[in-house]
Amino acid sequence: NAGVTQTPKFRVLKTGQSMTLLCAQDMNHEYMYWYRQDPGMGLRLIHYSVGEGTTAKGEVPDGYNVSRLKKQNFLLGLESAAPSQTSVYFCASSYLVIGTDTQYFGPGTRLTVL
Amino acid sequence: GDSVTQMEGPVTLSEEAFLTINCTYTATGYPSLFWYVQYPGEGLQLLLKATKADDKGSNKGFEATYRKETTSFHLEKGSVQVSDSAVYFCALSPGTYKYIFGTGTRLKVLA
Repeated sequence: NAGVTQTPKFRVLKTGQSMTLLCAQDMNHEYMYWYRQDPGMGLRLIHYSVGEGTTAKGEVPDGYNVSRLKKQNFLLGLESAAPSQTSVYFCASSYLVIGTDTQYFGPGTRLTVL
Repeated sequence: GDSVTQMEGPVTLSEEAFLTINCTYTATGYPSLFWYVQYPGEGLQLLLKATKADDKGSNKGFEATYRKETTSFHLEKGSVQVSDSAVYFCALSPGTYKYIFGTGTRLKVLA
């Protein structure tokens, strides 16, 4: 039982390049989330999904796209990377969404955009 | 809107000292409250939670009580260890998909 895994762990991009971050969970969770973590700002929600085939915008969705083609996977895409997207990205999943359930986090992806 | 305010860090303590990290919140209704911990190089993991007023969450010697009258959820531990060095996040969930995190408080415990 690996929990939540993220690929890659580190990445350096040049401005304008694209990439996809992969999140996988093996807990059969319905809900998945992508956050970014920046110094002094805590975690901010980028996009989330309430089930296979569904996605929705969070607090800071601009410049990102997501897909949830399979229940266990949640992909975060950057079509044209910008230096402002330099951050640590965390994926999380949870079973229930009613606000009492624990979110399980992946180890993070550190992205630098030059 | 809903928000969480944590005391700024870093907090530096000697081993076996008493720890308090303050957390206050603003929310409509009756949110659930959480403390998450992030060890260096890792993702966040749940430390404890409380889902209604006056509930006390506890885990690994840490405690926090949901105080609706003061809108607070302060984290406490009676005797910290070096292994407790980490970043601690207070969070709330108002009962939807949303989880709102504080900015985090870094704790450093010296031997």
